[in-house]
Amino acid sequence: DAKTTQPPSMDCAEGRAANLPCNHSTISGNEYVYWYRQIHSQGPQYIIHGLKNNETNEMASLIITEDRKSSTLILPHATLRDTAVYYCIVYGTASKLTFGTGTRLQVTL
Amino acid sequence: GAVVSQHPSRVICKSGTSVKIECRSLDFQATTMFWYRQFPKKSLMLMATSNEGSKATYEQGVEKDKFLINHASLTLSTLTVTSAHPEDSSFYICSARIVTSGRANEQFFGPGTRLTVL
Repeated sequence: DAKTTQPPSMDCAEGRAANLPCNHSTISGNEYVYWYRQIHSQGPQYIIHGLKNNETNEMASLIITEDRKSSTLILPHATLRDTAVYYCIVYGTASKLTFGTGTRLQVTL
Repeated sequence: GAVVSQHPSRVICKSGTSVKIECRSLDFQATTMFWYRQFPKKSLMLMATSNEGSKATYEQGVEKDKFLINHASLTLSTLTVTSAHPEDSSFYICSARIVTSGRANEQFFGPGTRLTVL
């Protein structure tokens, strides 16, 4: 599976949009971009995934660049409860989820 | 969404004893389940892949005789930590994969089990 690179930490003010970047320059054509988050001492929570088109659901939006080498997860109105570690994972149909170190997002008042 | 449960959520045991952790998919069938371990302030590390009705596949460096995995049904996988020692203290998390035609197969995670070995 392709490797991903994320900033180790980010801060965001409550109510503002949180934009979390991810680089995956070696992604192959049949690999999806998945985002999970892990709130302290809980199991990872699925957020969103995409192949090449931008995606939006009730939690977030996923913007994938045209060359698919990077993506951005957008939490449109961050709240304190969004404080967590966010993992960007590139994942093929028959492969295993491999977690990197993720981005620790701290939402502040 | 798909729900995965784990039991127990927290367990404390004495060194040398064995501990069993259950992972259940509550509203779907999972032919494949995964077991992860997470040490404090670290990322999740895959331990093994569990396929219903067959032997588990262990990641490099994970002792199969110490971490026994059984996946006897499409909704239940168990991880038994045998002869536990303090260094086995960790957060153990399972996930279950939904097979979806034409898409990457999504995984849903349990809430985790915190094991403390005294």
